[in-house]
Amino acid sequence: DQQVKQNSPSLSVQEGRISILNCDYTNSMFDYFLWYKKYPAEGPTFLISISSIKDKNEDGRFTVFLNKSAKHLSLHIVPSQPGDSAVYFCAASGEGSTDSWGKFQFGAGTQVVVTP
Amino acid sequence: GAGVSQSPRYKVAKRGQDVALRCDPISGHVSLFWYQQALGQGPEFLTYFQNEAQLDKSGLPSDRFFAERPEGSVSTLKIQRTQQEDSAVYLCASSLVGSHEQYFGPGTRLTVT
Repeated sequence: DQQVKQNSPSLSVQEGRISILNCDYTNSMFDYFLWYKKYPAEGPTFLISISSIKDKNEDGRFTVFLNKSAKHLSLHIVPSQPGDSAVYFCAASGEGSTDSWGKFQFGAGTQVVVTP
Repeated sequence: GAGVSQSPRYKVAKRGQDVALRCDPISGHVSLFWYQQALGQGPEFLTYFQNEAQLDKSGLPSDRFFAERPEGSVSTLKIQRTQQEDSAVYLCASSLVGSHEQYFGPGTRLTVT
């Protein structure tokens, strides 16, 4: 049962423009969300996170928005750069329980290609 | 500093063979996680250690999968009698206790023929 979904397998964007990646989840117990970036033949690297007590978190060019009522989060990259070309994974967990601590559920990923 | 390392990076096994995959976490990271990533999918949780204690193994797909971390540092994921459906990338991640930020290794790509 896929509880975290990234419905766009790929996204192509021009350098300098905004990239918007979307993620939907079904489990209302999820209360902590992360985005990871992955280059080929490397492990995912942490990008940005957000707790359910917030609706926005910003770090440089990266901003994550959380809409709890819609069970939806998005990652905005502005401006997009060629080095941003990678696969982006959304992940969610219910941190309220020690049983679920660190036990993240990942989406299938979105391949972003930034063109010059 | 050194990140999470995994070995081997690639492993080809014949169906029915046993394999052992190693993970060296970042020094001082108490928490260690194993994930399985099938082609075109996101990582799926397998198991979690805090120091040497295996606190959660709910994601292990069958009793052919076994993980250990006897001294609270290096961890080994063992798969017995490998099957074709075990073909995947196996990722290891470590983190400081209480931190959500997991640092991933490069993974071991297992191909079962």
